[in-house]
Amino acid sequence: AQKITQTQPGMFVQEKEAVTLDCTYDTSDPSYGLFWYKQPSSGEMIFLIYQGSYDQQNATEGRYSLNFQKARKSANLVISASQLGDSAMYFCAMREDTGRRALTFGSGTRLQVQP
Amino acid sequence: GAVVSQHPSRVICKSGTSVKIECRSLDFQATTMFWYRQFPKKSLMLMATSNEGSKATYEQGVEKDKFLINHASLTLSTLTVTSAHPEDSSFYICSAPGMTGAANYGYTFGSGTRLTVV
Repeated sequence: AQKITQTQPGMFVQEKEAVTLDCTYDTSDPSYGLFWYKQPSSGEMIFLIYQGSYDQQNATEGRYSLNFQKARKSANLVISASQLGDSAMYFCAMREDTGRRALTFGSGTRLQVQP
Repeated sequence: GAVVSQHPSRVICKSGTSVKIECRSLDFQATTMFWYRQFPKKSLMLMATSNEGSKATYEQGVEKDKFLINHASLTLSTLTVTSAHPEDSSFYICSAPGMTGAANYGYTFGSGTRLTVV
């Protein structure tokens, strides 16, 4: 069963506007972590933001915030004030705190910021 | 911060040859390394987990004899694609659990290797 679901293959946003990238997850582990990564065309994985399953508050990192709704099992990424350099693939990922602790990735969303 | 150096970044090889990809942790000891494969415009799929001093753990469907993984030391893990074929062409990227409390919350990625088999 797919553990991380990103339903938006592609998104467009105007420069300076905010955009939300959706992510839902499935796990029976009470302890887990949720990550968002940016992957530009160069291929490198750039860490954006992290949310722990026990964190009470939504994570924020500069222009990035994570809308964590635990009951809905969703962890949407909000990018405020989009910039042209934000154009890239964005991956949601989950770490379950039992087992091997490898990250499981969603299928990704390609974001294109338009001037 | 924690850095994983991955080489080569890009390689083109002939069908039937073998290619070795190295991931080296530069300023920390990586007892575990995760190896991922990414097809164009697709997600990262975990191939295997290497552990220093023991055999690698492969994910279901990954051919152990084709993708040889060795974790020779606390700072070096290698993936060798043996008898490469065009269908092995892909982007391979490694990731090491880094330091607890690190800004990236513990996962340091290599820069990836783009393999093209002709």
